[in-house]
Amino acid sequence: DAGITQSPRHKVTETGTPVTLRCHQTENHRYMYWYRQDPGHGLRLIHYSYGVKDTDKGEVSDGYSVSRSKTEDFLLTLESATSSQTSVYFCATTHGTTSYEQYFGPGTRLTVT
Amino acid sequence: GQNIDQPTEMTATEGAIVQINCTYQTSGFNGLFWYQQHAGEAPTFLSYNVLDGLEEKGRFSSFLSRSKGYSYLLLKELQMKDSASYLCTSTDSWGKLQFGAGTQVVVTP
Repeated sequence: DAGITQSPRHKVTETGTPVTLRCHQTENHRYMYWYRQDPGHGLRLIHYSYGVKDTDKGEVSDGYSVSRSKTEDFLLTLESATSSQTSVYFCATTHGTTSYEQYFGPGTRLTVT
Repeated sequence: GQNIDQPTEMTATEGAIVQINCTYQTSGFNGLFWYQQHAGEAPTFLSYNVLDGLEEKGRFSSFLSRSKGYSYLLLKELQMKDSASYLCTSTDSWGKLQFGAGTQVVVTP
């Protein structure tokens, strides 16, 4: 357990509204990741960060942006939510130097109506 | 490109053994993880194979063949609490993970 929390844990929002999800970790891990999980697709990488202010796109980044102003916080923003972004979102971290094992937060269930 | 194939579902009885096979095609392959995920929860780490061979950890064992792009997870002495989804996950030289869609294991009494 890498001390990862996510907020909110559940959210219902309307199409077209912006939404920000927060991931907070207490392990001082350098690498942080945002995934979405949908039935039949497994976990897919949205964006990741390899340090403060250093981020890059994953395989499903369209419609999402991220920011990392502090080591412990990684924010995911849906600029204008769409129904296709209804999903469960997981944040993960890894030390990245001593191991590649990723530790996951509890997840955020987002519903876009 | 990257692709991971694993069966969708497997059913076994309590006390039995189940083997979940996984094949992968990963550019810059660096290792193979197995994660367990109970319904409504986050994935949790089970095992990590870098070199060819078998890694044993209690009731769970994981095998890797890099030349064949093949791995399996072996669950022995199945318990009801082992009912979960098992995710075959490759990692590349950049540390990025590629997840399979998961194998749902159903343990029956």
